[in-house]
Amino acid sequence: EVQLVESGGGLVQPGGSLRLSCAASGFTFSSYWMSWVRQAPGKGLEWVANIKQDGSEKYYVDSVKGRFTISRDNAKNSLYLQMNSLRAEDTAVYYCARWLVPPIDAFDIWGQGTMVTVSS
Amino acid sequence: QSVLTQPPSASGTPGQRVTISCSGSSSNIGSNTVNWYQQLPGTAPKLLIYSNNQRPSGVPDRFSGSKSGTSASLAISGLQSEDEADYYCAAWDDSVYVFGTGTKVTVL
Repeated sequence: EVQLVESGGGLVQPGGSLRLSCAASGFTFSSYWMSWVRQAPGKGLEWVANIKQDGSEKYYVDSVKGRFTISRDNAKNSLYLQMNSLRAEDTAVYYCARWLVPPIDAFDIWGQGTMVTVSS
Repeated sequence: QSVLTQPPSASGTPGQRVTISCSGSSSNIGSNTVNWYQQLPGTAPKLLIYSNNQRPSGVPDRFSGSKSGTSASLAISGLQSEDEADYYCAAWDDSVYVFGTGTKVTVL
């Protein structure tokens, strides 16, 4: 079964750091772009970052540039999101998702999400 | 603030047809394909439509998508109670993937 399972969420103070993990199974992880998407409580979806199969290309939404780092370990079938200098507005459920390149060009598999709360 | 605008809500009775619009611009919908995602209450999003009008395996043919210029739409025909969910359009805008504001569909 194709599956993504996130972990690492929790409560952190403003200015703090957190590292999210996403364990992939049921498919050849190293063959796919991967992404993080977040959803603030009661709000819509926001794409956060993408990473190429070999990690050589990474893209971020402007609001997290310089604070968040996406990475992957293909040997461990794992995706990561290192979040530093966290702000209250980073509070959200964070989903990892598999991205299919064009012509499909969409997120076809999503994890169940992990909650990050930034509060003092 | 999202650059893809959707109506906040839509509703219909079982069996009716419901349409959701998604308005963008030349830098997103006007030059890229549109995807639609369904998010059932308390669950992760699910890909519903890709490449404007294509359904992934397992998605009922009651769901259909279309695109014209800088706008797109999702239609649900033969509305069912299990279709009650939030629906999001999405497209690339330069190097940023943007989601629509979301539409909550209620089955009356």
